[in-house]
Amino acid sequence: GQQLNQSPQSMFIQEGEDVSMNCTSSSIFNTWLWYKQDPGEGPVLLIALYKAGELTSNGRLTAQFGITRKDSFLNISASIPSDVGIYFCAGHGQNFVFGPGTRLSVLP
Amino acid sequence: DAGVTQSPTHLIKTRGQHVTLRCSPISGHKSVSWYQQVLGQGPQFIFQYYEKEERGRGNFPDRFSARQFPNYSSELNVNALLLGDSALYLCASSQRGFQNQPQHFGDGTRLSIL
Repeated sequence: GQQLNQSPQSMFIQEGEDVSMNCTSSSIFNTWLWYKQDPGEGPVLLIALYKAGELTSNGRLTAQFGITRKDSFLNISASIPSDVGIYFCAGHGQNFVFGPGTRLSVLP
Repeated sequence: DAGVTQSPTHLIKTRGQHVTLRCSPISGHKSVSWYQQVLGQGPQFIFQYYEKEERGRGNFPDRFSARQFPNYSSELNVNALLLGDSALYLCASSQRGFQNQPQHFGDGTRLSIL
C-alpha cells in the first residue's frame, strides 16, 4: 500500500532558528496536506497543496508540493516555543495517507 | 463557530465488547471521515462518508462499521473489541465529498481496551 516517510523523525532546535522537514513516498499523490498535533488534541491543518511545484505560505510556514508529486517540504522560519509539536504530512491518492510525523522541540 | 466535536472523550472497554463513537462535523460540512491513531504513529484512514453514503474504506476488518445521519453527524462502531483496538479515534470533516478536500479534525476519542 501507499506509505509516507517523514524526516527527520525528531529535531531539537534553538528558538529563532529556521526548520526544514520533508515527506517522501514511492507513490504519486495529487494533494498534500501538512498538520500539527499537540498532546491531547487532534491534528490542526496548516497548509494544503494541490499542484506539483506549488509553493504556499501560512505566516512563518511555507510548504511546497514536489515536482515529482512524490514529496513535499515544510519550512518554519524563526521558530518560537509554541511551534513545539508533531508535524504530519498527508498525501492523497485514493484516500489520505499520513506519515509517521516529525517531532519538533524548541529550546529557549 | 464550533469545530468538529467528538464524544465521548475517553472510553474504557474490555475485550469482546462493542463500542460506538460519535462525531458532529463543522457546520456546513457534509463529509465525515474516521481515522485510527495508534500511539506514536500518524492517523490511519478507516472510512469516509458523504451524503450518508460510504465513499471510501481503509484496510480495516469488518468489525469496524460506520454510518452518517441526515444532519451529517456520524457514528463509528467497533464490534468484538481486541486489545489492538486501543487507540485515539479521530473524526474529520470537510465541506464536500471530493476525497482530496482538506480534513478538519476533532480532538478524538481515546479508547482503551483492557
